[in-house]
Amino acid sequence: GAVVSQHPSRVICKSGTSVKIECRSLDFQATTMFWYRQFPKKSLMLMATSNEGSKATYEQGVEKDKFLINHASLTLSTLTVTSAHPEDSSFYICSARPSGLAGPPGANVLTFGAGSRLTVL
Amino acid sequence: AQSVAQPEDQVNVAEGNPLTVKCTYSVSGNPYLFWYVQYPNRGLQFLLKYITGDNLVKGSYGFEAEFNKSQTSFHLKKPSALVSDSALYFCAVRVRPRDYGGATNKLIFGTGTLLAVQP
Repeated sequence: GAVVSQHPSRVICKSGTSVKIECRSLDFQATTMFWYRQFPKKSLMLMATSNEGSKATYEQGVEKDKFLINHASLTLSTLTVTSAHPEDSSFYICSARPSGLAGPPGANVLTFGAGSRLTVL
Repeated sequence: AQSVAQPEDQVNVAEGNPLTVKCTYSVSGNPYLFWYVQYPNRGLQFLLKYITGDNLVKGSYGFEAEFNKSQTSFHLKKPSALVSDSALYFCAVRVRPRDYGGATNKLIFGTGTLLAVQP
């Protein structure tokens, strides 16, 4: 089945540094990937839609300059948390939708990565 | 506004008993509804979806969900709970580009319901 790999699974960094998280679709191509942030009380918030070959689409309230998204190829999207602060500490999850599948738009199942836990000291 | 609600933060059930995890939605157009499960420190795993057709949808691990258009609900059910079913369950709904001014379909999730199955 479809597999999405996220790396690193855990990262600890100092305040003010930048951290990059990778999301790879291992056995399928994904024109579109999604980045979510999960807060301690479990709510899952969509941060942005990552589009291969074009700019990401950010949800309202998400800082574009803070959370840089690059969808470099059909199998890789990266999220860079720039100038990280303790309040950026969270669980970040990516998901991908296989390209070119038949069926109604939006009906295809998203495959999720295992998540990346970021701790900013 | 497009939204999905899970009214229960936590559901407790004894092993062997039936379980229900509730979900209601509000979307434009025909709803595409999904259930995902999350185990600790893991990503989400797909359980089942409703796109069209039979209102009762069967999914992985013995779970099923019933689409009820009049009540705008999509409750997750299982006839006999297992301790291993204990996890966080998310209901999700597709939002169309035209409904939010974007370029692609996206999923929005409910706040999640923690299912605790006691031995």
